[in-house]
Amino acid sequence: KAGVTQTPRYLIKTRGQQVTLSCSPISGHRSVSWYQQTPGQGLQFLFEYFSETQRNKGNFPGRFSGRQFSNSRSEMNVSTLELGDSALYLCASSFQGDPRVRNTIYFGEGSWLTVV
Amino acid sequence: KNQVEQSPQSLIILEGKNCTLQCNYTVSPFSNLRWYKQDTGRGPVSLTIMTFSENTKSNGRYTATLDADTKQSSLHITASQLSDSASYICVVISMEYGNKLVFGAGTILRVKS
Repeated sequence: KAGVTQTPRYLIKTRGQQVTLSCSPISGHRSVSWYQQTPGQGLQFLFEYFSETQRNKGNFPGRFSGRQFSNSRSEMNVSTLELGDSALYLCASSFQGDPRVRNTIYFGEGSWLTVV
Repeated sequence: KNQVEQSPQSLIILEGKNCTLQCNYTVSPFSNLRWYKQDTGRGPVSLTIMTFSENTKSNGRYTATLDADTKQSSLHITASQLSDSASYICVVISMEYGNKLVFGAGTILRVKS
């Protein structure tokens, strides 16, 4: 079956602009989570959605937001982009959405965002 | 201080050799610990998942161990191959922070021929 699909794969934005990234989870998966990966900070949790509701949120400013649609597809938005937002943004999906359970979390290939 | 510390930061080994990567964590309580492999420019891929009550888990040439008493985990790679060159990330599922994933910084492994 198809894996987690993220679009776009690469994009360049200017400081002050906003960006929307899209994620299509594996069919049947209801949990979608987002992560930011930078060389200096590693992987950091942004937020997680389950059945269109945000269940968990990381320590990121309000410029970072997301949503999940009824078909489990998710989008994340970053407004007023800063140079430090340049990163690989990864989306992950899982069936049950509870990481306490030994369910595998599948990552997409990520969206590379460069802010200039 | 990061709650999940990995060592070494990077490692170079010859093809065919074994290696062991370390993960020390302070996350408590935790529900499970996971190891991921991330190729350059790709998303992480799950290797193993261990609950706090498990000591070892294998996936082909990859064997993960967990000592919940000392809060240490290791990932042992047997008979390394060039395709094992990647970043290996230790992830602890924290029960304290709403079941969030706490990531280590990763160990970059390079296998040379």
